[in-house]
Amino acid sequence: DAKTTQPPSMDCAEGRAANLPCNHSTISGNEYVYWYRQIHSQGPQYIIHGLKNNETNEMASLIITEDRKSSTLILPHATLRDTAVYYCIVRATNNAGNMLTFGGGTRLMVKP
Amino acid sequence: GAGVSQSPSNKVTEKGKDVELRCDPISGHTALYWYRQRLGQGLEFLIYFQGNSAPDKSGLPSDRFSAERTGESVSTLTIQRTQQEDSAVYLCASSLTSGRYNEQFFGPGTRLTVL
Repeated sequence: DAKTTQPPSMDCAEGRAANLPCNHSTISGNEYVYWYRQIHSQGPQYIIHGLKNNETNEMASLIITEDRKSSTLILPHATLRDTAVYYCIVRATNNAGNMLTFGGGTRLMVKP
Repeated sequence: GAGVSQSPSNKVTEKGKDVELRCDPISGHTALYWYRQRLGQGLEFLIYFQGNSAPDKSGLPSDRFSAERTGESVSTLTIQRTQQEDSAVYLCASSLTSGRYNEQFFGPGTRLTVL
């Protein structure tokens, strides 16, 4: 699987948009970008995934650059409950087991 | 509906003892995964089960680690002769199939402390 690079930590004011970047410059054409988050003392939670088009769901939006070498997860109106570690993961199509390879993630702190 | 459950939530054991961790996946999920997360680190894949196929054990760190799954239901992860470096949170996840599109649902984990 392609390696991802994320900033180790970020702060965001409550009610503002949180923009979490991820670099995946070695991504190949058939690899998807997944985002999970892990709130303290809980298991990871799926947020969103995409291939090349921007995606939006009830939790977040995912913006993938045209060259697919980077992406941004956007939480449009961050709340205190969004404080968590956010993981950007790239999965290969021959990753038959669907296991996820987690890096260090970004620790997002939402402040009042 | 019911999510993935794991038991116990916390386990403290002495070095050299065996421990058994349990995972109850979401009903109907054919794929089940075990991960380990050491303090302050990301998740490490351990083992995965898909239906009646032979499990992928490629992530197990040593022969002290083993896991079983009964059909498409409960799974147990066993660690024999525990060592202090086995201290971690052990997470279980399940998904509908093992295809790449299917999100994994995680349990709350079992925090293992080896003294």
